[in-house]
Amino acid sequence: GAVVSQHPSRVICKSGTSVKIECRSLDFQATTMFWYRQFPKQSLMLMATSNEGSKATYEQGVEKDKFLINHASLTLSTLTVTSAHPEDSSFYICSGGWGARAFFGQGTRLTVV
Amino acid sequence: EDKVVQSPLSLVVHEGDTVTLNCSYEVTNFRSLLWYKQEKKAPTFLFMLTSSGIEKKSGRLSSILDKKELSSILNITATQTGDSAIYLCAVEVQAAGNKLTFGGGTRVLVKP
Repeated sequence: GAVVSQHPSRVICKSGTSVKIECRSLDFQATTMFWYRQFPKQSLMLMATSNEGSKATYEQGVEKDKFLINHASLTLSTLTVTSAHPEDSSFYICSGGWGARAFFGQGTRLTVV
Repeated sequence: EDKVVQSPLSLVVHEGDTVTLNCSYEVTNFRSLLWYKQEKKAPTFLFMLTSSGIEKKSGRLSSILDKKELSSILNITATQTGDSAIYLCAVEVQAAGNKLTFGGGTRVLVKP
């Protein structure tokens, strides 16, 4: 089946720094990718929809200047958490495809200290 | 605003028990309902349901959709400790990007 590769799987960064998370579709072209955030013991919350070659669509309450999304090619979308703070510590997951064909990356556990 | 609600929030059972998980939704432009199992990392796909009343089955797991009641159930029979996980229900809507809206999940713990 299709594979989505996400890395890093785990990152610890200092408060105030920026972190980039990459999401690659390895064997299919993803014109759309989705970024989710999951806090401990909570469900996946959609943050934004990443569109190849155009601006991302952000969900209500998600700061687009803080969570920068770039989808410059059909196989790569990146999420940059800028000026990270401890409250940004979370599990971030990307997915490509739709419905049953939504393939998830392995997730990135971000810890901001 | 699209809404997906799962119940119960969590449950603890013993091996061999049967569990039934519930998912109800209120969305516009329903396309499909999906069930996922999440252990430590990314969710893994279980079922996709689009038609009401047709049961999908895979081993000890089965699921059915009731479009009239806007709900779905996921059954796990003869539970095993390996079934311990968070079970997520998501609804796909027909919209730009066909995004998924997830429920809060049900945490299942199966004790030996």
